[in-house]
Amino acid sequence: QSAMTQPASLSGSPGQSITISCTGTSNDVGGFNYVSWYQQHPGKAPKLVIFDVSDRPSGVSSRFSGSKSGNTASLTISGLQAEDEADYYCNSYTTSNTVLFGGGTHLTVL
Amino acid sequence: DVQLVQSGGGLVKPGGSLRLSCAASGFTFSDYTMNWVRQAPGKGLEWVSSISSSSRYIEYPDSMKGRFTVSRDNAKKSLYLQINSLRTEDTAVYYCARDGGAVAGGAFDIWGHGSLVTVSS
Repeated sequence: QSAMTQPASLSGSPGQSITISCTGTSNDVGGFNYVSWYQQHPGKAPKLVIFDVSDRPSGVSSRFSGSKSGNTASLTISGLQAEDEADYYCNSYTTSNTVLFGGGTHLTVL
Repeated sequence: DVQLVQSGGGLVKPGGSLRLSCAASGFTFSDYTMNWVRQAPGKGLEWVSSISSSSRYIEYPDSMKGRFTVSRDNAKKSLYLQINSLRTEDTAVYYCARDGGAVAGGAFDIWGHGSLVTVSS
């Protein structure tokens, strides 16, 4: 199974909002409401920021939000801050009872 | 504190074997599906395997079937990954991760610090 498609890179200025897309198929993103998003800073383990498409774990800023339409999930970060500069990954449960990650997006805060 | 502490890893020759361990603390380990995820140098995250709370359900992506074996010991609160016939392309940081979702759908809420596996002659 191929990784879900994410833009390789995005950039935004402090205070702006950005949206990262994650495109899969009806066998993963489109078939379940089990899409999660992770933030990873260099040399660190990933951190869960959104699960079940749009739920936020305790302690995660409300500036992070998630949504889904058809086979594409999205992560929106509002009020960009310097510390949001990181790599972001989506993942989804699949019809094969497996988990599939997206290719990752590097976010630069200008 | 809720945490996963990893051990194992290191430099291994092609064709060799390795076992990674992941010790849980601060939560009821036996309640959760556990996973392994790897990340090759400069690359993205790749899911390696999952094992349900009772070990009844074990899954791998097709690319990992045959050489990778996940197991757990709930009495020891530990997760394991055995990798055989190691290849240079298995070089990566391997993370253990807890699936914290109500349904084990890939919501990995607790991660280990990672174990570097380098396969080289």
